[in-house]
Amino acid sequence: GDSVTQTEGLVTLTEGLPVMLNCTYQSTYSPFLFWYVQHLNEAPKLLLKSFTDNKRPEHQGFHATLHKSSSSFHLQKSSAQLSDSALYYCALSDGSGTYQRFGTGTKLQVVP
Amino acid sequence: DPKIIQKPKYLVAVTGSEKILICEQYLGHNAMYWYRQSAKKPLEFMFSYSYQKLMDNQTASSRFQPQSSKKNHLDLQITALKPDDSATYFCASSRDWGGGAETLYFGSGTRLTVL
Repeated sequence: GDSVTQTEGLVTLTEGLPVMLNCTYQSTYSPFLFWYVQHLNEAPKLLLKSFTDNKRPEHQGFHATLHKSSSSFHLQKSSAQLSDSALYYCALSDGSGTYQRFGTGTKLQVVP
Repeated sequence: DPKIIQKPKYLVAVTGSEKILICEQYLGHNAMYWYRQSAKKPLEFMFSYSYQKLMDNQTASSRFQPQSSKKNHLDLQITALKPDDSATYFCASSRDWGGGAETLYFGSGTRLTVL
């Protein structure tokens, strides 16, 4: 069945260093991929999404490219900020129109 | 102003009791969902509704019953509560159901603790 894998549970970075959070997926149909961010004691909210191969949506300095050949949708940012500390979820929806499946999440901790 | 209102924010219940979690959305969306977030299973899908009709149910237990009295309203009734039900329950909505590319908008959650 469809699934999303986020291999890192916790990523700790020094402010100013680049961010890369991994997301790979398995999908029977044409996938729609999402990144949601959840700050402490807040609701998850959309960061960015994509369903077009090799396109790179960007938001708040973050970007992710959907690579269907490698089934990946890694989240990147060139320079981490303290305010980026949060829980990041990769999510998948497929063309059959069912619910979004979420990965286990990666907690990003940015330190001075 | 919050566009998806969940009540209560915190809820403490005893094992075996019954509780109702309230959700109303004011985004004009046609689809609503319940997700559960716990230490064991972060953001686990439970139910989806479209125009007050149940579209998908991934909750194995019949102790969880969604109730939709209006299109913008989706409550979650939980009976015979167990400590394992302790989690934060998020209500979410999207403009439509089944489009694949629909963004989910989440409420602030109800944190349920079952003693």
